[in-house]
Amino acid sequence: EAGVTQSPTHLIKTRGQQATLRCSPISGHTSVYWYQQALGLGLQFLLWYDEGEERNRGNFPPRFSGRQFPNYSSELNVNALELEDSALYLCASSSDPGRNSPLHFGNGTRLTVT
Amino acid sequence: ILNVEQSPQSLHVQEGDSTNFTCSFPSSNFYALHWYRWETAKSPEALFVMTLNGDEKKKGRISATLNTKEGYSYLYIKGSQPEDSATYLCAPNFGNEKLTFGTGTRLTIIP
Repeated sequence: EAGVTQSPTHLIKTRGQQATLRCSPISGHTSVYWYQQALGLGLQFLLWYDEGEERNRGNFPPRFSGRQFPNYSSELNVNALELEDSALYLCASSSDPGRNSPLHFGNGTRLTVT
Repeated sequence: ILNVEQSPQSLHVQEGDSTNFTCSFPSSNFYALHWYRWETAKSPEALFVMTLNGDEKKKGRISATLNTKEGYSYLYIKGSQPEDSATYLCAPNFGNEKLTFGTGTRLTIIP
């Protein structure tokens, strides 16, 4: 079974640009979660998608947005990039959006904003 | 803001020794507690999902207990091996389908 895949592995952007990060969940998983890990901080919840709909979002500004496609893959968009957006972005999928299912994480996209 | 604390922040343990660390969380609105292991250059890997007070889970040399009334969980590693070196993350779920992660305990096993 293929795991969660994320692309690109690394992304370098300049302040003010837009970044697009992609995630493919494990086959059969309908829920996709996005997390940010900035330097020195724990994993911060960004967004949760299930069955194509945004179900929950964390305390991030609206310039962080995304979507989930009919094949359950997902895209995270960050507009008007700021230096503090530099972080590791992890995507995870789950077979059951209930509370007892473990998350399966990808290897992440390292975003650097200069 | 839901405060999830993990202690210690880092830990060095001699190979073969046993160790444990703590995850503390608000006990109200608790639904489940997840533990993950995150090795360098890899993705976080789920170890346990625990829901019931008094729950105890085991996976090889690693085990975890849960106290939902007082809001804490312990993770134990018996007979530490170099491959146990990783950051261990706990993440309670407070009923809104999103996990709140602690900052983790970074474990280094000294050969």
